[in-house]
Amino acid sequence: QKEVEQNSGPLSVPEGAIASLNCTYSDRGSQSFFWYRQYSGKSPELIMFIYSNGDKEDGRFTAQLNKASQYVSLLIRDSQPSDSATYLCAVKTGFQKLVFGTGTRLLVSP
Amino acid sequence: GAGVSQTPSNKVTEKGKYVELRCDPISGHTALYWYRQSLGQGPEFLIYFQGTGAADDSGLPNDRFFAVRPEGSVSTLKIQRTERGDSAVYLCASSLNSAGELFFGEGSRLTVL
Repeated sequence: QKEVEQNSGPLSVPEGAIASLNCTYSDRGSQSFFWYRQYSGKSPELIMFIYSNGDKEDGRFTAQLNKASQYVSLLIRDSQPSDSATYLCAVKTGFQKLVFGTGTRLLVSP
Repeated sequence: GAGVSQTPSNKVTEKGKYVELRCDPISGHTALYWYRQSLGQGPEFLIYFQGTGAADDSGLPNDRFFAVRPEGSVSTLKIQRTERGDSAVYLCASSLNSAGELFFGEGSRLTVL
């Protein structure tokens, strides 16, 4: 079992819709959870992080964490074509190692 | 510096050669990470430094790979006897401390012919 699992996609949504990206992790001791966006040919950039169960909102982005189910999600409201990218879920393990999933490719069509 | 700097941005080498990839982290950042990313995959953890010491090197694939950070700032990833399977983008990231946000450099693209 991989430490961090994501559906590779692509996930296609029309402009203005809500995009929902999901991630599961295996280490129950994980405390910190991150979503990175990576445009083609570029390095990852942090969108959001979440430490506590529940929702965390930042503009059009909402991160959701359920530690009991070992599940993290990212919702993007009012999706824009510029949101088209690969979204990487990353989990910091108890040893401070940040482990990434394979990423979900999001395509937002105008 | 303003951001994490990695050199070279591109490196083409022949199978069996030795390569060094350099990472200059954000000034004051104590934690430094190396990742390797192949096409269509997420970044794969290689090694993490806290200060001068390797806190976790469990991701280094074999003994051909080695990394150093002698003064707790610049780090060098060294690959001996390169193989075609080593071709990837090598990403370096730094953070203020082990709990902080990681800031990535633009990566060094290694191609082994």
